[in-house]
Amino acid sequence: SQTIHQWPATLVQPVGSPLSLECTVEGTSNPNLYWYRQAAGRGLQLLFYSVGIGQISSEVPQNLSASRPQDRQFILSSKKLLLSDSGFYLCALGRSYEQYFGPGTRLTVT
Amino acid sequence: GNSVTQMEGPVTLSEEAFLTINCTYTATGYPSLFWYVQYPGEGLQLLLKATKADDKGSNKGFEATYRKETTSFHLEKGSVQVSDSAVYFCALIAGAGSYQLTFGKGTKLSVIP
Repeated sequence: SQTIHQWPATLVQPVGSPLSLECTVEGTSNPNLYWYRQAAGRGLQLLFYSVGIGQISSEVPQNLSASRPQDRQFILSSKKLLLSDSGFYLCALGRSYEQYFGPGTRLTVT
Repeated sequence: GNSVTQMEGPVTLSEEAFLTINCTYTATGYPSLFWYVQYPGEGLQLLLKATKADDKGSNKGFEATYRKETTSFHLEKGSVQVSDSAVYFCALIAGAGSYQLTFGKGTKLSVIP
């Protein structure tokens, strides 16, 4: 069965610092991959999705970026974090019409 | 565009009470509908799904029926337990070829002994 790993589990970063969150998947090949953000008291917001290596679609313009250097690796990055980037970041894997979520990374920007 | 509207929370129930969380949607085409559950500090888990009108999704005592005439997918459980305390999200994917899940804002459920 498929497994989704996210690293790190929690992160505290100062404003203006860079960010790199990693998502890796096991047990599947050529998946659709997604990054979501869940801000405090709000629903889930789709940030990026990828249908293959090097293919990234952005849903919300902001200071974040995503990359997919390998089939089973999806990275979320920022050059300079903002306070508003705080939240719970979820990576998801898509198969047909279903999506499966990783355990998430809680990011606090101070 | 597509949208999902859930009842506002939080919802607090006593153990063994009946649960209903309302969900209505707006979508083009023929969406597939989902309920996800998020336990404290964890990611989302798919709870149940329905892919066409009149389908009933069920899992762990929870049920939801895809009602096209009322564009609804209400979540129900006959007798909740303390372990059901979580945030519940209604979501849809709008038809074949779509990649994007559209979520409702979530409803927090607290079950007290």
